[in-house]
Amino acid sequence: DQQVKQNSPSLSVQEGRISILNCDYTNSMFDYFLWYKKYPAEGPTFLISISSIKDKNEDGRFTVFLNKSAKHLSLHIVPSQPGDSAVYFCAASSTQGGSEKLVFGKGTKLTVNP
Amino acid sequence: GAGVSQSPRYKVAKRGQDVALRCDPISGHVSLFWYQQALGQGPEFLTYFQNEAQLDKSGLPSDRFFAERPEGSVSTLKIQRTQQEDSAVYLCASSLLAGGPYTQYFGPGTRLTVL
Repeated sequence: DQQVKQNSPSLSVQEGRISILNCDYTNSMFDYFLWYKKYPAEGPTFLISISSIKDKNEDGRFTVFLNKSAKHLSLHIVPSQPGDSAVYFCAASSTQGGSEKLVFGKGTKLTVNP
Repeated sequence: GAGVSQSPRYKVAKRGQDVALRCDPISGHVSLFWYQQALGQGPEFLTYFQNEAQLDKSGLPSDRFFAERPEGSVSTLKIQRTQQEDSAVYLCASSLLAGGPYTQYFGPGTRLTVL
């Protein structure tokens, strides 16, 4: 059973427009969420995170929104740039379970067209 | 500063061979994690160390997989008698502290191909 789901395998947007990547989770024990970006043949690169005590966190062009009641989070990239083209992974963890492991979704491939 | 490094970057093994994958975490990072990423999937947790103590090995798929971090810095993931289903990218990550949540920083991974 997938505890973290990214239902869109791919997304294509025009340069300068907004990219919205979505993520759903099922485990109510998750209280910390992260987004990673991954280029081919490289490891995931940390982008932005959010704790369950907040509903929004912003860092430059990247904003993450958390809706705890819906068990949903989204990553907004504004404005999108061609260099943002990569696979984006949503990840979640629980600080209450002892282990700090991350549970990942399957990823969404973002393509930003010039 | 230096990030997480992993070696080798690529490894080809014949079925039945033993392999050892190395991870050098960011200096001073207390926590170290191993993940396995199959093609088209997200990374999946294998095991977790806090300093030299292996606190969670619930993700190791079989007793052929073994990990160690004897001095609380470098870690080795060993796979004995490799099988074709072991083919994947093995990712190592480290975080500064324990008792989370703290951001995990990933290395470039080792791509293992078992023939």
